[in-house]
Amino acid sequence: DTGVSQDPRHKITKRGQNVTFRCDPISEHNRLYWYRQTLGQGPEFLTYFQNEAQLEKSRLLSDRFSAERPKGSFSTLEIQRTEQGDSAMYLCASSLGGRTPYNEQFFGPGTRLTVL
Amino acid sequence: AQSVTQLDSQVPVFEEAPVELRCNYSSSVSVYLFWYVQYPNQGLQLLLKYLSGSTLVESINGFEAEFNKSQTSFHLRKPSVHISDTAEYFCALDSGGYQKVTFGTGTKLQVIP
Repeated sequence: DTGVSQDPRHKITKRGQNVTFRCDPISEHNRLYWYRQTLGQGPEFLTYFQNEAQLEKSRLLSDRFSAERPKGSFSTLEIQRTEQGDSAMYLCASSLGGRTPYNEQFFGPGTRLTVL
Repeated sequence: AQSVTQLDSQVPVFEEAPVELRCNYSSSVSVYLFWYVQYPNQGLQLLLKYLSGSTLVESINGFEAEFNKSQTSFHLRKPSVHISDTAEYFCALDSGGYQKVTFGTGTKLQVIP
């Protein structure tokens, strides 16, 4: 399978616990994105990386959220002290980057987080 | 600021009937427009895209969308839907091509046998 993969697919946790999600992009893609999708909404941008550099973070990304892409390949998204409002689908996407030609993003299946 | 509006949250349609899913956008610069489809328990898949050139773009499974700059719209159409088209459809845009994509709230297409 050469698509974007995410692990785990589902995570149930208790409020206050820390959780970490992993995303493996398409191998030759240098850009990696994280989105959050809540019920009834479209995906909302959280952050993105160009290789190992985190270039932009949304205001949605509170101090409890941290993302890394240490070697420019896979990425992790950690949520500390989870709250019920963090319950959502967390989507990862990757792309080749660049504006010319335009390279669209390819999405993984997502990690569904439920905070009890 | 850029935004995408999908006014219809759900669209029921009988099998083999035509369908149109509406999408309007707001942007002060040039845009790239997309339709993504999300089948139950699956990730988002790119259905079609408008980058430049012909304003009418088509997908391999019979959907088409037309970029209308004057009306700031990018409606999705299919002349005859199939049961397998049941899914949620998201319109999305990238203003300026910087790959920061904004999504609409989605339209659930329910095809009725």
